[in-house]
Amino acid sequence: DQQVKQNSPSLSVQEGRISILNCDYTNSMFDYFLWYKKYPAEGPTFLISISSIKDKNEDGRFTVFLNKSAKHLSLHIVPSQPGDSAVYFCAASRTDSWGKFQFGAGTQVVVTP
Amino acid sequence: KAGVTQTPRYLIKTRGQQVTLSCSPISGHRSVSWYQQTPGQGLQFLFEYFSETQRNKGNFPGRFSGRQFSNSRSEMNVSTLELGDSALYLCASRARSGANVLTFGAGSRLTVL
Repeated sequence: DQQVKQNSPSLSVQEGRISILNCDYTNSMFDYFLWYKKYPAEGPTFLISISSIKDKNEDGRFTVFLNKSAKHLSLHIVPSQPGDSAVYFCAASRTDSWGKFQFGAGTQVVVTP
Repeated sequence: KAGVTQTPRYLIKTRGQQVTLSCSPISGHRSVSWYQQTPGQGLQFLFEYFSETQRNKGNFPGRFSGRQFSNSRSEMNVSTLELGDSALYLCASRARSGANVLTFGAGSRLTVL
């Protein structure tokens, strides 16, 4: 049962433009969401997170938006850079189940010159 | 601080064999969790250990087991290997207090022939 879904397996974007990655979840009990980036042969690295009490969180070029009523979150990367080419995973967890994260299948982002 | 260290990085086994993977968390992190990554499935939660006790478990068969030692190092074992067990196995650690963020190791790539 895939409770976190990333329906776009891949995304190609030009350098300097905005990358928008989407993620949907089905479990309304999730109250903490994260985005991870993964390069080949490396483990995922934490990018940005958001609590369900917020609808937006920014960190430099990265902004995460949360729409609880739609059970949808998105990651915006502005401007996109070649080093952003990686696989991006969204993840969700419940406060009462610390440590157990549900991950999406990932979106491969390719930033072209 | 040294990161999360996983050994071995790569290994090849045949069906029916068993395998043990090792994970050393970040110093001071007492929680260790394990995830399986396969193409198209994202990261699937296996289990989490805290202070040598399993705190959470995912939906994997009993062939998958783990343990944690008093120094927080963890091992996971897969017995009677099947072809479908071929995957990247990721270990992550987190501090009990503070932000609910996982720090991942580079993973152990298991191939079952």
